[in-house]
Amino acid sequence: GAVVSQHPSWVICKSGTSVKIECRSLDFQATTMFWYRQFPKQSLMLMATSNEGSKATYEQGVEKDKFLINHASLTLSTLTVTSAHPEDSSFYICSARGGPSDTQYFGPGTRLTVL
Amino acid sequence: AQSVTQLDSQVPVFEEAPVELRCNYSSSVSVYLFWYVQYPNQGLQLLLKYLSGSTLVESINGFEAEFNKSQTSFHLRKPSVHISDTAEYFCAVSWTSGTYKYIFGTGTRLKVLA
Repeated sequence: GAVVSQHPSWVICKSGTSVKIECRSLDFQATTMFWYRQFPKQSLMLMATSNEGSKATYEQGVEKDKFLINHASLTLSTLTVTSAHPEDSSFYICSARGGPSDTQYFGPGTRLTVL
Repeated sequence: AQSVTQLDSQVPVFEEAPVELRCNYSSSVSVYLFWYVQYPNQGLQLLLKYLSGSTLVESINGFEAEFNKSQTSFHLRKPSVHISDTAEYFCAVSWTSGTYKYIFGTGTRLKVLA
């Protein structure tokens, strides 16, 4: 149990376009979902925390208008990278809090490449 | 401010040898502690966690970690490593109340040599 999926797993887009990444908790309801960004060979950096039905809380230095987060249901959160640029290329990982032991369960990640 | 330190960025070790990956944390309040493993181009998998109770926690694949409150440490150990243990290992802390955000260490790359 406690499986989190992400879609797509890999996406390439042109500079200036927007990309949406989905995060789903498949077998539990997630009270809170988190979005992380990971640069190559580095640790995870928390971008934002989202609770179902309310606005996301962004970490300092993360642009709210560039990284739009929607947490429409207890099993789905989306991250939209708006007007993507090459510097937005990264590995984006979501996690969902809930499940049998109320800890965070991580998705497999989405690799975004902006050309 | 809360922080997590993983002192070793890379740890090479021969197969079947023991290994210890170090993790220290700084926090003024009670914490939960976690170790996650990440294989190349994959997300994070929970290895083990300390929430409460026994300070020694074990995983199903032979890893163990011990919570030492006085030394604010949560070192990960395995008595005999396999080639398949080659991966990146992240230590993380969260708080026992509040937002449940995680703070991750910088990671330790374990490379098991044949």
